[in-house]
Amino acid sequence: AQSVTQLGSHVSVSEGALVLLRCNYSSSVPPYLFWYVQYPNQGLQLLLKYTSAATLVKGINGFEAEFKKSETSFHLTKPSAHMSDAAEYFCAVSETGGGNKLTFGTGTQLKVEL
Amino acid sequence: EPEVTQTPSHQVTQMGQEVILRCVPISNHLYFYWYRQILGQKVEFLVSFYNNEISEKSEIFDDQFSVERPDGSNFTLKIRSTKLEDSAMYFCASSSAEPKQFTGELFFGEGSRLTVL
Repeated sequence: AQSVTQLGSHVSVSEGALVLLRCNYSSSVPPYLFWYVQYPNQGLQLLLKYTSAATLVKGINGFEAEFKKSETSFHLTKPSAHMSDAAEYFCAVSETGGGNKLTFGTGTQLKVEL
Repeated sequence: EPEVTQTPSHQVTQMGQEVILRCVPISNHLYFYWYRQILGQKVEFLVSFYNNEISEKSEIFDDQFSVERPDGSNFTLKIRSTKLEDSAMYFCASSSAEPKQFTGELFFGEGSRLTVL
């Protein structure tokens, strides 16, 4: 069975600082991995995805994530946080080649302070 | 930009009452999903739906739950007799991809918050 673990339910950074949101996965087959973002009063929006091509994946709004098989990780980063990045971020996994469902982590609430 | 819309945004109901949550998926999408998030917990898969039938459902999706696409545009989730533990945010999503080509890009609605008293 597939699963993801997000370390830290709340992360606070200063504007301009590095953003690092952690995600570790467990999957019995090569996974597809995703980060979704939820801004206040909005639905979940795909930020970026890894589907077995390049291990460093670039997404929208300057975010990127690196797939590290040896560490079973897919951490989300952004070099310089902006106030508009404040949102909840969800890591998710699906199994390659079959099924069409996502398994989500518990989410990380990102707060950006002046 | 096309979007998934959900109604109501918030519903309060008494335990034992029936609830219908409505969703309008993106018009050219063929695969539809319901997920839910109990406060403080993970977003959980409930059910996927394609070609007017359920493709896959989770253990959560018991006989109290049903889904329907009554008119070619709406996609509904019905809970027949609500329980306190059904209180959650329910997300509808849609996708255009074939399941075997699925790469995870679901388009989600803003969610319907259900509160069962």
